[in-house]
Amino acid sequence: DVKVTQSSRYLVKRTGEKVFLECVQDMDHENMFWYRQDPGLGLRLIYFSYDVKMKEKGDIPEGYSVSREKKERFSLILESASTNQTSMYLCASSFASSYNEQFFGPGTRLTVL
Amino acid sequence: QQPVQSPQAVILREGEDAVINCSSSKALYSVHWYRQKHGEAPVFLMILLKGGEQKGHEKISASFNEKKQQSSLYLTASQLSYSGTYFCGTLPNTGNQFYFGTGTSLTVIP
Repeated sequence: DVKVTQSSRYLVKRTGEKVFLECVQDMDHENMFWYRQDPGLGLRLIYFSYDVKMKEKGDIPEGYSVSREKKERFSLILESASTNQTSMYLCASSFASSYNEQFFGPGTRLTVL
Repeated sequence: QQPVQSPQAVILREGEDAVINCSSSKALYSVHWYRQKHGEAPVFLMILLKGGEQKGHEKISASFNEKKQQSSLYLTASQLSYSGTYFCGTLPNTGNQFYFGTGTSLTVIP
């Protein structure tokens, strides 16, 4: 079974803190994605990566950065957390072809106080 | 860029049918459909490709109208287990960014 794991299910941080969200997949997928999910807004793409050290901005990259040093790991970084970044963050991965489904991790519920 | 889904929410009785629509402003290469149950991660249902090829769930069907840049998901003889939020995801003909829709909440009641 494909497994995508995220470092935390729940996280509480203070405004201004630097936050790291980690995602690991075990199926040798080329593509990895970070989304945030908010009520009524669906899933919005923050960043994606199609190879090690490669990254592309999604719809809402402001306030976020990413790192992909190894194929199986994709990290999302909030440089200085703000209250409007309180959200559910979902990581996903897939094989390179657009024919392939995305597999999602369980999500991290981040609250910024 | 984000595809629009309709309806936003629907309530069905067991055995009834439902159609969920997904509409994009861009010419599309593929459409994906996912279901997310409450408190869980989204799970893949189906992919439809430009040209008519499909890959996915045996009990759920979908259509893809390339000219209208629209897709519809058909849920027939609904079961309680169909409850959840359904998302379409679209990959445009140009570029490689994938966009998910706003979601449709579907509730099946006994």
